[in-house]
Amino acid sequence: AQSVTQLDSHVSVSEGTPVLLRCNYSSSYSPSLFWYVQHPNKGLQLLLKYTSAATLVKGINGFEAEFKKSETSFHLTKPSAHMSDAAEYFCVVDNFNKFYFGSGTKLNVKP
Amino acid sequence: DTGVSQNPRHKITKRGQNVTFRCDPISEHNRLYWYRQTLGQGPEFLTYFQNEAQLEKSRLLSDRFSAERPKGSFSTLEIQRTEQGDSAMYLCASSSTGGFSEQYFGPGTRLTVT
Repeated sequence: AQSVTQLDSHVSVSEGTPVLLRCNYSSSYSPSLFWYVQHPNKGLQLLLKYTSAATLVKGINGFEAEFKKSETSFHLTKPSAHMSDAAEYFCVVDNFNKFYFGSGTKLNVKP
Repeated sequence: DTGVSQNPRHKITKRGQNVTFRCDPISEHNRLYWYRQTLGQGPEFLTYFQNEAQLEKSRLLSDRFSAERPKGSFSTLEIQRTEQGDSAMYLCASSSTGGFSEQYFGPGTRLTVT
């Protein structure tokens, strides 16, 4: 069975400091993994995806994620947070076209 | 705008009433998905279509729920005899058939059952 665990429900950083949002997955096969972002009153937007090519995946808005099979992790990072990054972030595993979402991490960015 | 659209954006209904939501996917996408999101949770898969065929339904989709995609284009999700527990955001997404295809999400329909 496939599942996703987002280790932090809330993360708070100061503007200009690094962001780390943690995600662990469980899968019986090599999964496709995604990170989506949801801004208030907006639809879910794809940040990046891993599909068994390069283990370090670059996405939009300066975000990137590294797939680590040995740790079953797919953590999302950004070197320098912007105020506009404040949103909820979802780690997602693809199980034969059905997406399984984590419970989400709300990112707060302080000025 | 060529993204996924959903109507209505908000629906308030009384318990026991029937409601229907519509989703228009990106035109060239042949897969369409429905999810439900409750407060503080990530979206949960409900069902998906490839063209007009409904290929899978979650156990979350009780017999009060029915979804259709009659011509392989837009889809409707109907909830009969609504209950307060049905209050949630209902999300629609679409994707192309190719492997590892990301899903593109609509803005959702927020249902409130009073």
